[in-house]
Amino acid sequence: GAVVSQHPSWVICKSGTSVKIECRSLDFQATTMFWYRQFPKQSLMLMATSNEGSKATYEQGVEKDKFLINHASLTLSTLTVTSAHPEDSSFYICSAQQARNIQYFGAGTRLSVL
Amino acid sequence: AQRVTQPEKLLSVFKGAPVELKCNYSYSGSPELFWYVQYSRQRLQLLLRHISRESIKGFTADLNKGETSFHLKKPFAQEEDSAMYYCALSVGSGGSNYKLTFGKGTLLTVNP
Repeated sequence: GAVVSQHPSWVICKSGTSVKIECRSLDFQATTMFWYRQFPKQSLMLMATSNEGSKATYEQGVEKDKFLINHASLTLSTLTVTSAHPEDSSFYICSAQQARNIQYFGAGTRLSVL
Repeated sequence: AQRVTQPEKLLSVFKGAPVELKCNYSYSGSPELFWYVQYSRQRLQLLLRHISRESIKGFTADLNKGETSFHLKKPFAQEEDSAMYYCALSVGSGGSNYKLTFGKGTLLTVNP
């Protein structure tokens, strides 16, 4: 099946620094990738839709300047959490859309901001 | 706006017993419904989708538009079915993009 790699799996950073998370589709091209956030014991909340070669579409309430998304190639999307603060600590998950309406998920990145 | 409701946070059954995980949705258009599963320490993976009308690992789910439900069923639960199950609804968001809205999930525990 299709594989989506997400890196790093866990990152700890100091408050005020920026963190970049990578999402790669390993064996297929994905013009569309998605970024989710998951709080403990809660469901996945869609943050933004990332389209290759164009600007990401953010969900209501998600700060685009805070969560920068770049989808420069058909196999790579990145999420940068800028000037991270403790309230940004969370589990971030990406997915890549293969065929119509099929999303394959990365293993997630746990971000801890001190 | 679309919404997916999974009324049970936790569901515990014994091995061999039937299991039903409930999912209700609200959406004014024609939805596409999915069940995703997350086993312990693993990533989220697709279990089944309503348009495929297939059985995966013994699980089936039928879309009932009248009741706006998409319940997941298995006649005889196995211990390896223990996992978190998410119901999700897909809506087109323009072009070829399809966004997923997830329910809050049901943690299924199958006891020996």
